[in-house]
Amino acid sequence: EIVLTQSPGTLSLSPGERATLSCRASQTVSSSYLAWYQQKPGQAPRLLIYGASSRATGIPDRFSGSGSGTDFTLTISRLEPEDFAVYFCQQYGSSPLTFGGGTKVEIK
Amino acid sequence: QLQLQESGPGLVKPSETLSLTCTVSGGSFSSSGYCWVWIRQPPGKGLEWIGKISYSGSTYYNPSLKSRVTISVDTSKNQFSLKLISVTAADTAVYYCARRECNYGGGYFDYWGQGALVTVSS
Repeated sequence: EIVLTQSPGTLSLSPGERATLSCRASQTVSSSYLAWYQQKPGQAPRLLIYGASSRATGIPDRFSGSGSGTDFTLTISRLEPEDFAVYFCQQYGSSPLTFGGGTKVEIK
Repeated sequence: QLQLQESGPGLVKPSETLSLTCTVSGGSFSSSGYCWVWIRQPPGKGLEWIGKISYSGSTYYNPSLKSRVTISVDTSKNQFSLKLISVTAADTAVYYCARRECNYGGGYFDYWGQGALVTVSS
């Protein structure tokens, strides 16, 4: 089973700042099959990025994903008020599919 | 717009069976290209993939839960269901149903239900 470790656990930033979130895998993620989700309190996760760098339908271009192998990054170029949430990475290159523990982006 | 909705008891006693149903509306349930999954999230914690089922009924489960899980599909009702036997407090979680593509490269989840909290307690 591939273990995904996200860092930092919490990121305290101000609106307008850049957010950089990390997801590190215990083994190579095949074909960069890595997705990112955003989750707000009381809501289901929302797909942001798949294939490490492809934005899902309707996702603003301030969200970008990069990386390959075992190291992946989600970048939010300029934080909007609605971006403060928890972010999860998920790998789907190997079974069982697994998620990271999440990074909370909070208002500083 | 595709919508998924979980339903089922919110409280289950220890050692009993947790049963949830997901109703899919707005299209694509009968498409052979999509699979339907269950994912859970204990309160304040991360996400755990439980298993998937295709429209034809082919299943695959997380090995950590495989001995206790059954996922089934009712194509006449556009529904798929989860049964988890012998539950304990550790099974208390919000249970989500979701959609993914069935092919190898499609294992991300693009549509989700709102989630159903199931508490295991006597």
